[in-house]
Amino acid sequence: DAGVTQSPTHLIKTRGQQVTLRCSPKSGHDTVSWYQQALGQGPQFIFQYYEEEERQRGNFPDRFSGHQFPNYSSELNVNALLLGDSALYLCASSLEWLAGRTGELFFGEGSRLTVL
Amino acid sequence: AQSVAQPEDQVNVAEGNPLTVKCTYSVSGNPYLFWYVQYPNRGLQFLLKYITGDNLVKGSYGFEAEFNKSQTSFHLKKPSALVSDSALYFCAVRDILTGGGNKLTFGTGTQLKVEL
Repeated sequence: DAGVTQSPTHLIKTRGQQVTLRCSPKSGHDTVSWYQQALGQGPQFIFQYYEEEERQRGNFPDRFSGHQFPNYSSELNVNALLLGDSALYLCASSLEWLAGRTGELFFGEGSRLTVL
Repeated sequence: AQSVAQPEDQVNVAEGNPLTVKCTYSVSGNPYLFWYVQYPNRGLQFLLKYITGDNLVKGSYGFEAEFNKSQTSFHLKKPSALVSDSALYFCAVRDILTGGGNKLTFGTGTQLKVEL
């Protein structure tokens, strides 16, 4: 049973460029969340997708956008990259939060983005 | 708004000794609490969760956590530490929203170092 897979694992961009990160959820999961983890910090919630719609959003600017596909996979797009966007981007999958479900998140290995 | 505090940046313990990693939380309703572990350059791995029921929760790799509602704490414990337990540990709380959503709010992490 494949877990959460993310690609690419590492990438380097320059300021002003755009980046797309990809995530395939754990088999059977229908909800995908994205987190940003800056060096030495805890993960910060970016947004969550369910049924191809953004369900929740954290305190991130509109430069951060996402998409979920019918097969539940997801993309994170960041436009106009800033130096401060350098971080580990983590994708997490789960079942939709419903009463009776504990819905723990299963994380991928992350995509390490460096902005120069 | 919910929040999590991990007051210790680093915890050092000798192998074979008991370990405790501290976590306190703040939520408006009932807390759903989680512990995750992160090894270098890796994603987060789920250790254990508290949803309801017994205050002592048992999880993976011999870890357990004690929920204390009056002290709003959820400390991670292990009776006998191993060198292989050395990693970064995150406490997290779930934000319960009407209509769904399973966003996690993480603490800043505690680096556990187990020495021979």
